[in-house]
Amino acid sequence: GQSLEQPSEVTAVEGAIVQINCTYQTSGFYGLSWYQQHDGGAPTFLSYNALDGLEETGRFSSFLSRSDSYGYLLLQELQMKDSASYFCAVRDAYSGGGADGLTFGKGTHLIIQP
Amino acid sequence: EPEVTQTPSHQVTQMGQEVILRCVPISNHLYFYWYRQILGQKVEFLVSFYNNEISEKSEIFDDQFSVERPDGSNFTLKIRSTKLEDSAMYFCASSEEGGPQPQHFGDGTRLSIL
Repeated sequence: GQSLEQPSEVTAVEGAIVQINCTYQTSGFYGLSWYQQHDGGAPTFLSYNALDGLEETGRFSSFLSRSDSYGYLLLQELQMKDSASYFCAVRDAYSGGGADGLTFGKGTHLIIQP
Repeated sequence: EPEVTQTPSHQVTQMGQEVILRCVPISNHLYFYWYRQILGQKVEFLVSFYNNEISEKSEIFDDQFSVERPDGSNFTLKIRSTKLEDSAMYFCASSEEGGPQPQHFGDGTRLSIL
C-alpha cells in the first residue's frame, strides 16, 4: 500500500518563503505530484517530480529525493491567494493501462498572514 | 482553457436511493477518473477508466459503484442503494495521456445522503 505524511498546517507571512514537506512509503514509486486545493474547490495540478532534484515553475518549486522517500513544495513570494491546502500524491501501482489513480496525502493547510 | 465539467453541483438523496453523477471530461482526453473527498479529509481514488473499460479501482469501489461512458462525451458514476457514509464531494478528473500526466479535476458534485 501507499502512505504519505505531510504537516497538517503551516503558517507564513505574505512575501515570505514556505516549504511543505512530504514523506512517502510506497510499494512501487512512479513520481511525486503536488496539487493545490482552495476551500470548496477542485484540486489543481502544480508540479511533478519523477527524478531527484528540483523542478521550478514560477514562484513554485518542487524537490524530490528518492533515496530518502522525501519531497517538498517550495512557495516563494507568498501572496494571500496562496492560502489553500496543498496535497502531495503518488501514483498507485502501475496498472499497465496507464490510467493510474493517485494516492493523496492528508493535505497541508497553508495560512498566509499579512 | 478547456475544463472538466460536473453536474449537478449538489445532489441531495434519501438513503437507499440510486444516484448518477455526471462528468464531461476535456474533449481530447482519453483517461478518466473518479475520486471522492469526505468533508475535512483527503482526496481518495475510486476508479480509473480507459479505452471503454475500468483500468484500476480502489477497495472503496465495490459492487455498489459502477461507471459508464454512455457516449463520446459523458462519463458517469452510479451509486446504488446509497448509505449515509457515501456523503462526500465526488470529483471527476481526466488526463490527455496516462502515467504521470497531470490530472485535471472538475469542480465536484457534493452528494448529501439523508
